Amino acid sequence: DTAVSQTPKYLVTQMGNDKSIKCEQNLGHDTMYWYKQDSKKFLKIMFSYNNKELIINETVPNRFSPKSPDKAHLNLHINSLELGDSAVYFCASSHDQLGRRLTQYFGPGTRLTVL
Amino acid sequence: SQELEQSPQSLIVQEGKNLTINCTSSKTLYGLYWYKQKYGEGLIFLMMLQKGGEEKSHEKITAKLDEKKQQSSLHITASQPSHAGIYLCGARPLGINSGGSNYKLTFGKGTLLTVNP
Repeated sequence: DTAVSQTPKYLVTQMGNDKSIKCEQNLGHDTMYWYKQDSKKFLKIMFSYNNKELIINETVPNRFSPKSPDKAHLNLHINSLELGDSAVYFCASSHDQLGRRLTQYFGPGTRLTVL
Repeated sequence: SQELEQSPQSLIVQEGKNLTINCTSSKTLYGLYWYKQKYGEGLIFLMMLQKGGEEKSHEKITAKLDEKKQQSSLHITASQPSHAGIYLCGARPLGINSGGSNYKLTFGKGTLLTVNP
């Protein structure tokens, strides 16, 4: 059973296009995240939602807009794609239990290539 | 902001050898997480350490957190080709229990492990 799933796994697109990446978790978690891993494999947080509320919004261009329709889904929409957006984007989720931030479980990643 | 330094950046060992990867923080850690990433795949959670001096093991992998909670080591005994991949340590900041900061993990830059048969 897939715990955290992302679609698509690969995304190749032209500069200037708008694209979306979808994430779903079936773990019953209440917190979801988007991370970006650059070409040097450095992994950095972008956004986090807890119970559909945005709680982390790092220094990310406003071309990136997360949307959480419900606790099990967190999508990432990117407008006007640029070459520098090429990276692997990981979704993750965790359970916030009594104020304790528990282990984050990651999806398989979406490799975005902007041409 | 919290920074994590991992060493070495890459490591090549012969199958059957033991190895250690280190993760050092500039600040005291609230929680230290070890993940493994295989090429083209997501991060697989290995272990989480929270208490000073804590040690956990899973199969041939042992992780420790020092008493000061600023350094962790990951030790693999009798390495196998299946251990190959990128090992990442991630941590939460200490003492912040409200707001967004405590949710996010800050990661080190990873250690690329190659195990030659």
